[in-house]
Amino acid sequence: AQTVTQSQPEMSVQEAETVTLSCTYDTSENNYYLFWYKQPPSRQMILVIRQEAYKQQNATENRFSVNFQKAAKSFSLKISDSQLGDTAMYFCAFMKLQGAQKLVFGQGTRLTINP
Amino acid sequence: GAGVSQSPSNKVTEKGKDVELRCDPISGHTALYWYRQSLGQGLEFLIYFQGNSAPDKSGLPSDRFSAERTGGSVSTLTIQRTQQEDSAVYLCASSVRTGKLGEQYFGPGTRLTVT
Repeated sequence: AQTVTQSQPEMSVQEAETVTLSCTYDTSENNYYLFWYKQPPSRQMILVIRQEAYKQQNATENRFSVNFQKAAKSFSLKISDSQLGDTAMYFCAFMKLQGAQKLVFGQGTRLTINP
Repeated sequence: GAGVSQSPSNKVTEKGKDVELRCDPISGHTALYWYRQSLGQGLEFLIYFQGNSAPDKSGLPSDRFSAERTGGSVSTLTIQRTQQEDSAVYLCASSVRTGKLGEQYFGPGTRLTVT
């Protein structure tokens, strides 16, 4: 079975700073996807960024980028020029390509951006 | 277009009562997922529908939990004889499942409180 671990329950940074959220996972699969989801107080899960395991190039989406280290099974999220609207819970998630494609989530990191 | 909707938004029930939670997926999405988000267990998969059938129901925690999907659209998650440990946010997601990856779009969730 796959497991996802987020070792930082809470983080807090000042607006405009850069912050990195950590995620490690365990799997015997070779082909899979990794995701970062954001959950603001509204409870709506919003996809931030995804990474395909067979791609060596790290994914980027505007201010969000990942550092994907497949051998180390590490998938960190970097948020540059952080904004107050980035305040939310962030979940790292794993998805196997075969079967149900269900998401396996980490425990989450509560990120607070301070003005 | 419309996103995934869930009803009710919040539900308070007495221990031992039955509850029904509803999910309306995005039109045309063939895959539908239920997840549960609780303080003790984090975010966990419950059941996956492809069309009206449920090929993966491995996450349902007990036989008090059941779900159905009709017309390849609306899904209902039913919890019988509710217990306090059932208190959680129940999230629904849907995806197209065409091609290699079906990106999951989440609804706002139903917060269930069992008193």
